[in-house]
Amino acid sequence: KNEVEQSPQNLTAQEGEFITINCSYSVGISALHWLQQHPGGGIVSLFMLSSGKKKHGRLIATINIQEKHSSLHITASHPRDSAVYICAVTPMNRDDKIIFGKGTRLHILP
Amino acid sequence: DAGVIQSPRHEVTEMGQEVTLRCKPISGHNSLFWYRQTMMRGLELLIYFNNNVPIDDSGMPEDRFSAKMPNASFSTLKIQPSEPRDSAVYFCASSPSQGVGGEQFFGPGTRLTVL
Repeated sequence: KNEVEQSPQNLTAQEGEFITINCSYSVGISALHWLQQHPGGGIVSLFMLSSGKKKHGRLIATINIQEKHSSLHITASHPRDSAVYICAVTPMNRDDKIIFGKGTRLHILP
Repeated sequence: DAGVIQSPRHEVTEMGQEVTLRCKPISGHNSLFWYRQTMMRGLELLIYFNNNVPIDDSGMPEDRFSAKMPNASFSTLKIQPSEPRDSAVYFCASSPSQGVGGEQFFGPGTRLTVL
């Protein structure tokens, strides 16, 4: 079993829909990251959080430390949101490496 | 700031050749990371530096891979000799924080193809 699991693996939705991408992990963490990788390959860090909720524009990230679960939400989705969204965790043991999920491929149809 | 700069953006080489990938981190950042991304394995951390010092190189696949950071503004990842299975996109990232826990800023990546 992967230490970081994302769901769904692939998601296709219509423009305007509310999108939720989930991330579950099995290790104690000091931080969780959400990354966005565009079709051109570039990677952008969206959020880094260790508790609660963060919001940036139409993007919202939440984390529940007790349940070892995080969600990334996109409101009023747009075709330009089409990308791969990657969840990554920093284990609490500082000797451990950052662990990446396999990513969720999101496609928003116009 | 221009962000993290990587060169070359694309590299095609033949098996057995030496490959050198270059990275210029964001000025003032304390940590630098090298990642590899493949379809099969996704993103993997290869090595990271704090204040130019290698901290964790356990992700480096084998002795054919080496990384250096001679100063705060430059790092290289070298593969010698290269093999077809090294074909991947290699990302460099930098962070203002120490270690892997801080926000990281990624470069555009180098797409390496080893024939």
